[in-house]
Amino acid sequence: KAGVTQTPRYLIKTRGQQVTLSCSPISGHRSVSWYQQTPGQGLQFLFEYFSETQRNKGNFPGRFSGRQFSNSRSEMNVSTLELGDSALYLCASSYGLRDWTPEQFFGPGTRLTVL
Amino acid sequence: SQQGEEDPQALSIQEGENATMNCSYKTSINNLQWYRQNSGRGLVHLILIRSNEREKHSGRLRVTLDTSKKSSSLLITASRAADTASYFCATRGAQKLVFGQGTRLTINP
Repeated sequence: KAGVTQTPRYLIKTRGQQVTLSCSPISGHRSVSWYQQTPGQGLQFLFEYFSETQRNKGNFPGRFSGRQFSNSRSEMNVSTLELGDSALYLCASSYGLRDWTPEQFFGPGTRLTVL
Repeated sequence: SQQGEEDPQALSIQEGENATMNCSYKTSINNLQWYRQNSGRGLVHLILIRSNEREKHSGRLRVTLDTSKKSSSLLITASRAADTASYFCATRGAQKLVFGQGTRLTINP
């Protein structure tokens, strides 16, 4: 089975721009979660999608949004980029919601640099 | 604040030695997970221990859980250079998976 894939792997943007990151979960997995990882804050939960619905959301401003498609693929969008948005963005998939299937499978991440 | 806190933050040992890292958490849990992350890459799930379990083994990994102390430990025996990575414990809090800050493990040849 192919693992979780994320595109692009690396991205450089400037302040004020917007960015869209993509995640394809493992085939058959219906839950997709997004995390932001920075040296200062560590791994921070962004949001979780299941069956095209956002089920949980972390403490991030409204500039961070996401969606999930009927094939379980997910995208996250960050508008009006700030320098502090520079981070590794990780996507993780699981078969069901984390209550039922707590193990998550992570993609390699997208390294976003905001200049 | 983080639900899980790992200790130590960094650990450097010689190849072949055992490595132990600890995780403390704050609230009641159903399970606790350990993940490994190689530099700048995604996380890999290592092992899950449920709240009614006290110890679990997987290959060279041994995880213990003490719910009375709200702590867990991960032991890696006979360490190898390939074990060099960051290790995170993760618990579920407020409907989301919460990771600690991690332990950076370096195995010296």
